[in-house]
Amino acid sequence: NAGVMQNPRHLVRRRGQEARLRCSPMKGHSHVYWYRQLPEEGLKFMVYLQKENIIDESGMPKERFSAEFPKEGPSILRIQQVVRGDSAAYFCASSSVAGEVANTGELFFGEGSRLTVL
Amino acid sequence: RKEVEQDPGPFNVPEGATVAFNCTYSNSASQSFFWYRQDCRKEPKLLMSVYSSGNEDGRFTAQLNRASQYISLLIRDSKLSDSATYLCVVNFGNAGNMLTFGGGTRLMVKP
Repeated sequence: NAGVMQNPRHLVRRRGQEARLRCSPMKGHSHVYWYRQLPEEGLKFMVYLQKENIIDESGMPKERFSAEFPKEGPSILRIQQVVRGDSAAYFCASSSVAGEVANTGELFFGEGSRLTVL
Repeated sequence: RKEVEQDPGPFNVPEGATVAFNCTYSNSASQSFFWYRQDCRKEPKLLMSVYSSGNEDGRFTAQLNRASQYISLLIRDSKLSDSATYLCVVNFGNAGNMLTFGGGTRLMVKP
């Protein structure tokens, strides 16, 4: 399967713990986007990364959230000291060329990681 | 005001009906427009682009009104399989070219 792979699909954490969500983009894609979807709401942009660079993190909460996309390996979205309000589906999407997204609108999404904070 | 606004619905329609969704966006300099479909507890998938002249793909017709800053999606001859949430998506031309999603309109097609 050459699609966007996210894991874990489901993650349960207690308040105060850390959550790490991983995303492997489609083969050949070097642009990764993270979106968050709260229950019954739309997708909210969080961060856009290229290999080893954060290009736009305007949607990331200022505290507790961080993201990386190392030269080797998957992109990681890290949430420290989780709170109940962090419970959501976190979707990762990838594209091969950033400009192409604006023209084609085609972001390839993974199946999402569903975080539940108890 | 949200950047991309949609009526959340749900729209409950019988099979065979024609249904239309609208979406408004806040920035008149917006670059490009799309409709995505998201099935329950699944990832969103691109349904179609929206062009200024309007465009059609089978039973689906998308239209853009730049002057009024709204986008529409028309579905003719609704099928049970059309039941999903339809997301209006706008590219505002920002540096990252990321897509901004509306909250979605839920459609339920009943037999």
